[in-house]
Amino acid sequence: GAVVSQHPSWVICKSGTSVKIECRSLDFQATTMFWYRQFPKQSLMLMATSNEGSKATYEQGVEKDKFLINHASLTLSTLTVTSAHPEDSSFYICSARDRRRSTDTQYFGPGTRLTVL
Amino acid sequence: GQQLNQSPQSMFIQEGEDVSMNCTSSSIFNTWLWYKQDPGEGPVLLIALYKAGELTSNGRLTAQFGITRKDSFLNISASIPSDVGIYFCAGRQGGSEKLVFGKGTKLTVNP
Repeated sequence: GAVVSQHPSWVICKSGTSVKIECRSLDFQATTMFWYRQFPKQSLMLMATSNEGSKATYEQGVEKDKFLINHASLTLSTLTVTSAHPEDSSFYICSARDRRRSTDTQYFGPGTRLTVL
Repeated sequence: GQQLNQSPQSMFIQEGEDVSMNCTSSSIFNTWLWYKQDPGEGPVLLIALYKAGELTSNGRLTAQFGITRKDSFLNISASIPSDVGIYFCAGRQGGSEKLVFGKGTKLTVNP
């Protein structure tokens, strides 16, 4: 398999502050990374697709000015939650697309628990 | 958005029993993936399927890509307590980078 890391694993912040979450592919280069949000007892909801060197593509209903995504290198994508509010509290998970060899799949990071007070 | 029909929603079984879950769709998919998610963790890839009819095993897990390309199933044989978790199916359609997910099957294994 492949390894994807996320940092931090959890964060608590005050309302109105911004929080940055990092997603790294550790043993492969990922031209495409994805950011998901997961509510308790629910499936994963895709927020945006992040492509290295270009602007992210956001899903319908996701505010691009609130959830800033930067994919500056082939191994790093960041999600910044700007002016966070309690309703932004959630579990955020990234994944990286591994297109090595003849297979094409996504590997997920361990997730980041965001709590906004 | 689009979502796969995954069933059952939950299962309560005794240790040692076999488990079967499946995902269906009205659309064709080129890739089927099965993930397991433990509480507070990200999904972990169990099995990836790329060809219609493909049958792939990973230890006690076996998954198949349906020949119609609209369904997939996952079997777990001789379940053990550490199999507890939520299992998600995911599919990717041709020409798309995005995965479509099922709602998950929550598995509980009683020792």
